[in-house]
Amino acid sequence: AQSVTQLGSHVSVSEGALVLLRCNYSSSVPPYLFWYVQYPNQGLQLLLKYTSAATLVKGINDFEAEFKKSETSFHLTKPSAHMSDAAEYFCAVSETNNRLAFGKGNQVVVIP
Amino acid sequence: NAGVMQNPRHLVRRRGQEARLRCSPMKGHSHVYWYRQLPEEGLKFMVYLQKENIIDESGMPKERFSAEFPKEGPSILRIQQVVRGDSAAYFCASSPRTAYNEQFFGPGTRLTVL
Repeated sequence: AQSVTQLGSHVSVSEGALVLLRCNYSSSVPPYLFWYVQYPNQGLQLLLKYTSAATLVKGINDFEAEFKKSETSFHLTKPSAHMSDAAEYFCAVSETNNRLAFGKGNQVVVIP
Repeated sequence: NAGVMQNPRHLVRRRGQEARLRCSPMKGHSHVYWYRQLPEEGLKFMVYLQKENIIDESGMPKERFSAEFPKEGPSILRIQQVVRGDSAAYFCASSPRTAYNEQFFGPGTRLTVL
């Protein structure tokens, strides 16, 4: 079965600094990978997705992620953090029947 | 085009009562997924339904939980005889078809069991 690992439940970043959230996956088949963001008391919003096209994927709000098969990774980055980026971020891999397997999430805190 | 709608947004039940959670998928979407989010954990898959069919219920607890997606009307997640451990956020997602398409999530129903 596919699975996702996200290390570090809480990530603090200074405003204007690089945001880096790590995601490693395990999959027996070519994976489809996603990053979602969840703001307090809201549902999940898709940031970006990898579906076997370009390995560098650009998403909304200047986020991007790079698929590296050799490292089984799909890390999320943003060059410059904004206060509005404070939220919880989930990496997910698509399993059989299109269901998603999520990591435990990273709670991002942006320090002014 | 309205997004995925879930109601109620908040639901409070006492132990032993029944909880019914509703999900209306996006227009044109015939695939519905239910996920549960427990505190400090990511989302866990529960069940995948198409109209009038349960495709995959491997994530559903064996007892007290059931789901349906009738030909007409919303998808329903039903929890009978709720216990405190059922307190969680329940999210519904929909997609137009399978093959690794993006799932669109609703705002969730936050169930509190007293």
